Amino acid sequence: QKEVEQDPGPLSVPEGAIVSLNCTYSNSAFQYFMWYRQYSRKGPELLMYTYSSGNKEDGRFTAQVDKSSKYISLFIRDSQPSDSATYLCAMSAGSNYQLIWGAGTKLIIKP
Amino acid sequence: DTGVSQNPRHKITKRGQNVTFRCDPISEHNRLYWYRQTLGQGPEFLTYFQNEAQLEKSRLLSDRFSAERPKGSFSTLEIQRTEQGDSAMYLCASSTSGQGETQYFGPGTRLLVL
Repeated sequence: QKEVEQDPGPLSVPEGAIVSLNCTYSNSAFQYFMWYRQYSRKGPELLMYTYSSGNKEDGRFTAQVDKSSKYISLFIRDSQPSDSATYLCAMSAGSNYQLIWGAGTKLIIKP
Repeated sequence: DTGVSQNPRHKITKRGQNVTFRCDPISEHNRLYWYRQTLGQGPEFLTYFQNEAQLEKSRLLSDRFSAERPKGSFSTLEIQRTEQGDSAMYLCASSTSGQGETQYFGPGTRLLVL
């Protein structure tokens, strides 16, 4: 079993919909949680960074962390075709620099 | 340019040849990471530098792989005697010490070994 599980999708939704992307993990030592967006043939781009549990909002994006359930989510409001990409979750424990990644969810926003 | 840059962006080589990739991190970042990513997977950690010191190497990094960061600025990743299984996207990321989890990635070098 992988340390971080993420549904690969693809997830296809109409433009304007609210998108929910999720990851589960098994290592209770993880404290830092990140969401990256990756367009085809490009490097990952950091979207959201959260420490420990709670919510964080940035524009149309909201990241949630539930450490008791070992579950993190990324919500995208008013989704746009330009949001079509692969979304990767990543996490690390304490000051450990090494990120553990999910496999990524491919998101398609239909105009 | 304030981002991480990588060169070349694409490399096609024949099995058995050596290849070298270069990464230029964000100038004020003292940490530099190399990852490998295959289709449909998240990045896999390969190695990590703090300044010029290589502090960690993954078990994935066989003896054919070597990385350097001679002056604590740019880094090179060399693969000797390439194999078809080395075909992947090689990603470089950098960060500032103390915020090691906030890693900023370059565009990657896509390697195809024929």
